[in-house]
Amino acid sequence: GQNIDQPTEMTATEGAIVQINCTYQTSGFNGLFWYQQHAGEAPTFLSYNVLDGLEEKGRFSSFLSRSKGYSYLLLKELQMKDSASYLCAVMDSNYQLIWGAGTKLIIKP
Amino acid sequence: GAVVSQHPSWVICKSGTSVKIECRSLDFQATTMFWYRQFPKQSLMLMATSNEGSKATYEQGVEKDKFLINHASLTLSTLTVTSAHPEDSSFYICSAPKGQIYEQYFGPGTRLTVT
Repeated sequence: GQNIDQPTEMTATEGAIVQINCTYQTSGFNGLFWYQQHAGEAPTFLSYNVLDGLEEKGRFSSFLSRSKGYSYLLLKELQMKDSASYLCAVMDSNYQLIWGAGTKLIIKP
Repeated sequence: GAVVSQHPSWVICKSGTSVKIECRSLDFQATTMFWYRQFPKQSLMLMATSNEGSKATYEQGVEKDKFLINHASLTLSTLTVTSAHPEDSSFYICSAPKGQIYEQYFGPGTRLTVT
């Protein structure tokens, strides 16, 4: 079956760095996405990786290793507004998104 | 980025009634739209893929006669929850790809509460 694993919850301090990991097993691979979702709101797009390596976009970076079925989202200079759930999703061979359960990130002052 | 809207943003209805949720792509055309459901503290669950001009494709376990999907134009897809029950209470979200299939844009979601 298809499976996306990510930690349920993480806690970090304002101004610090946090890495959220995601491992996947899917039928085919057409890219991996990271989305941010605040409570009661729809997800917003953060990043898309289809090739191995690190993609940097401001305070957020996303890494992919296809051979290991592994990705991480790196958040730097954490701000209180970064408190949210972070969803990892993989697009499979049928171009369907397979979603992880999300990682709730709690930022403390 | 692109914009996808949903209407209504929240709705409360009585058990046994039907509710229609609209999903519109405001600045692009979408031949395909996706409908998701999300229960509290859970991830998104794909319900169905809406295809303009043809029948929707439903995921396993989703009752197509209960969740009616119509994609009558390139900018509008509707999801109708028929004979709603309290267990249908959830957050319903649509998304549409713009351009490349990986450019998914989400609507703001519709909170449905069935009493």
